[in-house]
Amino acid sequence: EAQVTQNPRYLITVTGKKLTVTCSQNMNHEYMSWYRQDPGLGLRQIYYSMNVEVTDKGDVPEGYKVSRKEKRNFPLILESPSPNQTSLYFCASSGTANYGYTFGSGTRLTVV
Amino acid sequence: SQQGEEDPQALSIQEGENATMNCSYKTSINNLQWYRQNSGRGLVHLILIRSNEREKHSGRLRVTLDTSKKSSSLLITASRAADTASYFCATDGGAQKLVFGQGTRLTINP
Repeated sequence: EAQVTQNPRYLITVTGKKLTVTCSQNMNHEYMSWYRQDPGLGLRQIYYSMNVEVTDKGDVPEGYKVSRKEKRNFPLILESPSPNQTSLYFCASSGTANYGYTFGSGTRLTVV
Repeated sequence: SQQGEEDPQALSIQEGENATMNCSYKTSINNLQWYRQNSGRGLVHLILIRSNEREKHSGRLRVTLDTSKKSSSLLITASRAADTASYFCATDGGAQKLVFGQGTRLTINP
């Protein structure tokens, strides 16, 4: 089944403890992206990648890192999480321009 | 930066009625996309309309795009209870940088 898989689905962590949210797609898509969703703010893009080793900042990149070493994986790294990064995170991928994105099921992160 | 703005923010209709949601955006686009999200779950791509297209259909969905007014509408005909969800428009201004609006929360009453 064609899908985007994010892990974990839920995560509670403490301030400053480094964490990684994994994202993997099995559709050989070139484009991948990370979003966070917050009440009243909608979905905001954190980082995106147009291909292996090609990444760029979205609208809210501060406090996040990404890497794209392989086409299928696009992990989101929080080096030193803070409570304002408590949010619902989505990874998404797309095959080509002018094509819709496939979204993962989301990761609900709580930083205390 | 928030590009698309949906209107209304919330919409409640009876099953079987048609639902119309509107989206306005600010800058030029390559395409505009509509997504559905069920209560905190992942978004599901519904339909994409390119900037040189004016109307597109997919099943019970009809999307229009007016680039001169920088606006789009999504019409769901013959609504069903399963259509209850939030609907988002997203604009692609190039380089696959999608920018989402705040969404319309649609409730279909049985």
